[in-house]
Amino acid sequence: GEDVEQSLFLSVREGDSSVINCTYTDSSSTYLYWYKQEPGAGLQLLTYIFSNMDMKQDQRLTVLLNKKDKHLSLRIADTQTGDSAIYFCAVSRTSGTYKYIFGTGTRLKVLA
Amino acid sequence: DTEVTQTPKHLVMGMTNKKSLKCEQHMGHRAMYWYKQKAKKPPELMFVYSYEKLSINESVPSRFSPECPNSSLLNLHLHALQPEDSALYLCASSQGGQNYNEQFFGPGTRLTVL
Repeated sequence: GEDVEQSLFLSVREGDSSVINCTYTDSSSTYLYWYKQEPGAGLQLLTYIFSNMDMKQDQRLTVLLNKKDKHLSLRIADTQTGDSAIYFCAVSRTSGTYKYIFGTGTRLKVLA
Repeated sequence: DTEVTQTPKHLVMGMTNKKSLKCEQHMGHRAMYWYKQKAKKPPELMFVYSYEKLSINESVPSRFSPECPNSSLLNLHLHALQPEDSALYLCASSQGGQNYNEQFFGPGTRLTVL
């Protein structure tokens, strides 16, 4: 089945850029999402990208998709302490299934 | 209204109790989901309702019973739970259909089973 992997932990200094990586195995993954989860809260959709795109920019967020390597990344520019959270990537297909496959999650810690 | 609401926020129950979790959305979405999330883990899909019909049950034990009374409302009935069922229960909704299915999540219900 589909496997989605992320590195567990990332620490950056306030004002630096953060890059969170995600790799997946199913080449038929068509929609790819990034969610943010703060402690004790639900998941907040940050951004998404379709598999026919290579890049998407949304304010401080840049998503890069390398379909050949099945690699997705989320870059957060000018990282702030409020960005400290767990970030999940998720992938889904167009086959009509509503299933997301979530990555393992990356805990981002922003140091002041 | 782009919000998914869940009640209660916290729930503590004994193993013999019966309780229900409630989820509501008014975005006109036709797909609704229940997830279970343990600490520091990704959410695990439990059930999916599509157009008010149960379309996916991820082999969830029968002590969890979902219900979708109408297109805006999703319930999860709990009975005879075990301590290992303690977790954050998340509800989500999406447009439905076979196209792009961005899921919007509620804040979750933190369940503790004693």
